[in-house]
Amino acid sequence: QVRLQESGPGLVKPSQTLSLTCTVSGGSIISPTDYWAWIRQSAGKGLEWIGRIYSTGSTTHNPSLQGRLTISVDTSKNHFSLTLSSVTAADTGVYYCARGRNYYRAPYNDAFDTWGQGAMVTVSP
Amino acid sequence: QSVLTQPPSVSAAPGQKVTISCSGSSSNIGEKYVSWYQQLSGTAPKLLIYDNNKRPSGIPDRISASKSGTSATLVITGLQTGDEADYFCATWDTNLSASWVFGGGTKLTVL
Repeated sequence: QVRLQESGPGLVKPSQTLSLTCTVSGGSIISPTDYWAWIRQSAGKGLEWIGRIYSTGSTTHNPSLQGRLTISVDTSKNHFSLTLSSVTAADTGVYYCARGRNYYRAPYNDAFDTWGQGAMVTVSP
Repeated sequence: QSVLTQPPSVSAAPGQKVTISCSGSSSNIGEKYVSWYQQLSGTAPKLLIYDNNKRPSGIPDRISASKSGTSATLVITGLQTGDEADYFCATWDTNLSASWVFGGGTKLTVL
């Protein structure tokens, strides 16, 4: 059974860069159809998709974060990472990594079937 | 405001049935597959429904869902106190560029 675990600093100063890593255990990060995603949740608010990456390195980002966001994968370490630059207080929240599972190899027939426990990140001086 | 619209809250008594709606548009729900998630207080979301109406292993059949046009509905019957949680719908949106979108979430209170 695949498990995901986020790690990284819990406090980041404004204008600096937020960096998180998600380690995949219990299975390989290499998959022809599944992908690995970052999703965040601000206090008392809903979920916001940040972006995703395939084990090949192919990425898709939330357009609202374009320009500040980098998602990378290291298959040798079975982990993937998120960096978000020029952070502000609006980037404060719980950051989740998740596996995007594709069903029946049908386009857009995906769901997030496995989630990490979440990492709280606060942007503050 | 979220691309997908959900009621902020619903409530019902134990043993009763509750429905949670999720309204979108042709660029998301209308043409894509909907998934539903349950988030218990202080925990990560959990997948309840994928492919519009399919349950992963371990999800009881008192939880069901459907999709019609640009709307989706989650139904929970035989409510239990342990069902009290936030529920989110989600799908892809390809209006401008391909991006996952979530509903704002519905807080279910079991009275």
